Amino acid sequence: QQPVQSPQAVILREGEDAVINCSSSKALYSVHWYRQKHGEAPVFLMILLKGGEQKGHEKISASFNEKKQQSSLYLTASQLSYSGTYFCGTAPRSNDYKLSFGAGTTVTVRA
Amino acid sequence: NAGVTQTPKFQVLKTGQSMTLQCAQDMNHNSMYWYRQDPGMGLRLIYYSASEGTTDKGEVPNGYNVSRLNKREFSLRLESAAPSQTSVYFCASTGVGASSGNTIYFGEGSWLTVV
Repeated sequence: QQPVQSPQAVILREGEDAVINCSSSKALYSVHWYRQKHGEAPVFLMILLKGGEQKGHEKISASFNEKKQQSSLYLTASQLSYSGTYFCGTAPRSNDYKLSFGAGTTVTVRA
Repeated sequence: NAGVTQTPKFQVLKTGQSMTLQCAQDMNHNSMYWYRQDPGMGLRLIYYSASEGTTDKGEVPNGYNVSRLNKREFSLRLESAAPSQTSVYFCASTGVGASSGNTIYFGEGSWLTVV
């Protein structure tokens, strides 16, 4: 079952912050975050494993709350290069070989 | 540094025709995947291969078949193409298993139109 992402789209001005949420109805073991530019392949951002850790990639960070079965991606001081569609992928077990992806959140950063 | 290579990049098919999408990875990865991407639907798993010699259905397998030819190659076949199979197809691979913390690497995608 696909996780649910919110919001579907967000428009930012350079320097503004945004939060993208990813929720699942199933217990989660891992959450993956990817960014896709138009016409290109998804590119890996980060993985969060069960344990509630928070990770960062430049000014993009994420948290994982396995009790709530959700993850959040934080875009801080957004740059034009952050524009794209962000996907979360989730796996329910450590020995699960496949991810289920959300429908995506389109982020547009304007000057 | 090729990574995951898919062919063809673009293809137009007539309804009822068959075709095979080819995928190869040079990262010595065990697991390989085929996803389709439709507007507003995100990435949906068609089939995957956890390791050489095994294949399993994903979320949307109907109308597709796969072959894990060897550790490097994983092909997707449309036996009788339908307009509903118009989509962008992505092949992907990962080292041990996606959920165990390994990064999934995607190919550049194959744009398929069925008329």
